Amino acid sequence: NAGVMQNPRHLVRRRGQEARLRCSPMKGHSHVYWYRQLPEEGLKFMVYLQKENIIDESGMPKERFSAEFPKEGPSILRIQQVVRGDSAAYFCASSPQGPTNTGELFFGEGSRLTVL
Amino acid sequence: RKEVEQDPGPFNVPEGATVAFNCTYSNSASQSFFWYRQDCRKEPKLLMSVYSSGNEDGRFTAQLNRASQYISLLIRDSKLSDSATYLCVVNGGNFNKFYFGSGTKLNVKP
Repeated sequence: NAGVMQNPRHLVRRRGQEARLRCSPMKGHSHVYWYRQLPEEGLKFMVYLQKENIIDESGMPKERFSAEFPKEGPSILRIQQVVRGDSAAYFCASSPQGPTNTGELFFGEGSRLTVL
Repeated sequence: RKEVEQDPGPFNVPEGATVAFNCTYSNSASQSFFWYRQDCRKEPKLLMSVYSSGNEDGRFTAQLNRASQYISLLIRDSKLSDSATYLCVVNGGNFNKFYFGSGTKLNVKP
């Protein structure tokens, strides 16, 4: 499957635990975006990363949330000490770099986090 | 003010109806515009890009009005399968930053 791969698809955590969500972009894509979607709401931008760099994290909560996109391996969105309000669908999207970028974002199927 | 604003709906229309959605954006430097479709509990998928001259893809027509900073999506001859949430997406001047509207929900009824 050459699409954006997210895992786990579903994750259940108890309050205070950590959640790690992974995203492998499409082959050849070096730009990764994370969005959060609460039930019955739209997508909220969280962070935009390129390999080894955080370009824009203006949508990330100031505490407990972090993201990385290492030189090797998937991008990871990490939520520490989860609370019930973190329950949401977290979507990752990727886009290519440079002149091949048509502006389209390619989304993964999302990771649904439930905090008990 | 939100970067992108949409009427959340829902729009409840019968099969065969024509329905139009509008979306406004705040950044006049925005360069690229898109409509995405999101089915319930699924990921968003690109429906169509929106070009300055307007563009049509089958039953779907998208238009851009830069002066008034809004884009529109027209769906003709609605099908049951068109039921979904339609997301307006604007590239915020920086080609790699995308802003999503909260979506407009469409319900097409038999």
